[in-house]
Amino acid sequence: EAGVAQSPRYKIIEKRQSVAFWCNPISGHATLYWYQQILGQGPKLLIQFQNNGVVDDSQLPKDRFSAERLKGVDSTLKIQPAKLEDSAVYLCASSLLIGTRADTQYFGPGTRLTVL
Amino acid sequence: AQSVTQPDIHITVSEGASLELRCNYSYGATPYLFWYVQSPGQGLQLLLKYFSGDTLVQGIKGFEAEFKRSQSSFNLRKPSVHWSDAAEYFCAVGATNKLIFGTGTLLAVQP
Repeated sequence: EAGVAQSPRYKIIEKRQSVAFWCNPISGHATLYWYQQILGQGPKLLIQFQNNGVVDDSQLPKDRFSAERLKGVDSTLKIQPAKLEDSAVYLCASSLLIGTRADTQYFGPGTRLTVL
Repeated sequence: AQSVTQPDIHITVSEGASLELRCNYSYGATPYLFWYVQSPGQGLQLLLKYFSGDTLVQGIKGFEAEFKRSQSSFNLRKPSVHWSDAAEYFCAVGATNKLIFGTGTLLAVQP
């Protein structure tokens, strides 16, 4: 079974530029998550989708971050404009069930963003 | 408040030695607990999870973890460490809609 795919793996941009990340979850997984992992910290949830609806985006900085999940499958996360503090690894994860606490989340390799 | 604490930021062990990584959690209800490993440049891989039942949980790569409710702990152990175990290890608790992660423990393995 193919895992969670993410692209690009690395991205370097100047502050105030825009950037987009793509995620393809495991086939059949209903729930998709985007996490932000700043160096030296554990991942923190940015947004959760169930199928193509948003369940939780309370930690998403909506003035600059946006995300969508097309047809309940692929997802994109966008930052516009980027700030220095957005430098982090952006992890996508998916899970089979509808967002239960016990559901195992499977993570992609992440996109490492550097903002100069 | 829901939280996970990993007190050890960095641990170095010799190859073949035993390993214990500490994890303490704070969660109001029955906790669902996870250990993930992250190798350099890689995503997070699930090592093991605890939901209920036997408090000693076996995982992949020879790892095990023991849930101790009285101590609010879920420590990860391995009897003999291999050089390939060098990575960062994250403990997490399953909360509504998300995982809450600790800050991680970076494991170095000496030959």
